[in-house]
Amino acid sequence: KNEVEQSPQNLTAQEGEFITINCSYSVGISALHWLQQHPGGGIVSLFMLSSGKKKHGRLIATINIQEKHSSLHITASHPRDSAVYICAVRNNDMRFGAGTRLTVKP
Amino acid sequence: DAGVIQSPRHEVTEMGQEVTLRCKPISGHNSLFWYRQTMMRGLELLIYFNNNVPIDDSGMPEDRFSAKMPNASFSTLKIQPSEPRDSAVYFCASSLRAGTNEQFFGPGTRLTVL
Repeated sequence: KNEVEQSPQNLTAQEGEFITINCSYSVGISALHWLQQHPGGGIVSLFMLSSGKKKHGRLIATINIQEKHSSLHITASHPRDSAVYICAVRNNDMRFGAGTRLTVKP
Repeated sequence: DAGVIQSPRHEVTEMGQEVTLRCKPISGHNSLFWYRQTMMRGLELLIYFNNNVPIDDSGMPEDRFSAKMPNASFSTLKIQPSEPRDSAVYFCASSLRAGTNEQFFGPGTRLTVL
């Protein structure tokens, strides 16, 4: 079993829909990262969380330390949100989820 | 700031050759990370540095891989000798401090070993 599990693996949505991507982990962590990898391959850090919730524009990330679970939400999704979203947890090193491939159709 | 700079962007080499990947972190960042991404294994942390000192190299696959950070503005990842299974995209990232700050990723180097 992977230490970082993401769901779903693939997600297709219509423009405007509310998106939720989930991440569960089984190890102790000091922080959790959400990354976005564009079709061209570039990686952008969206959030780094150690507790609670963060919001940036249409993106919201939450983490529940007790349940070892985090969610990434996208409100009013847009085709330009199409990317792979990767959850990563940090303790002494970094462990990555396999990613969620999101496609938003116009 | 130009962000994290990596070179080359693409590298094609033959098995057995030495490969050197280069990274310039964002000025003022004290932590630097090397990652590898493959279809089979996804993203993996290879090694990271704090203040130019290697902190955790447990992700380095084998002795053929070595990384150095001779100063705060430059790091190299060397593979000698290279093998076809080393083919991957290698990302460098930097942050103000490891563990407490978000990381900024370079564009990656796509390595193909024939």
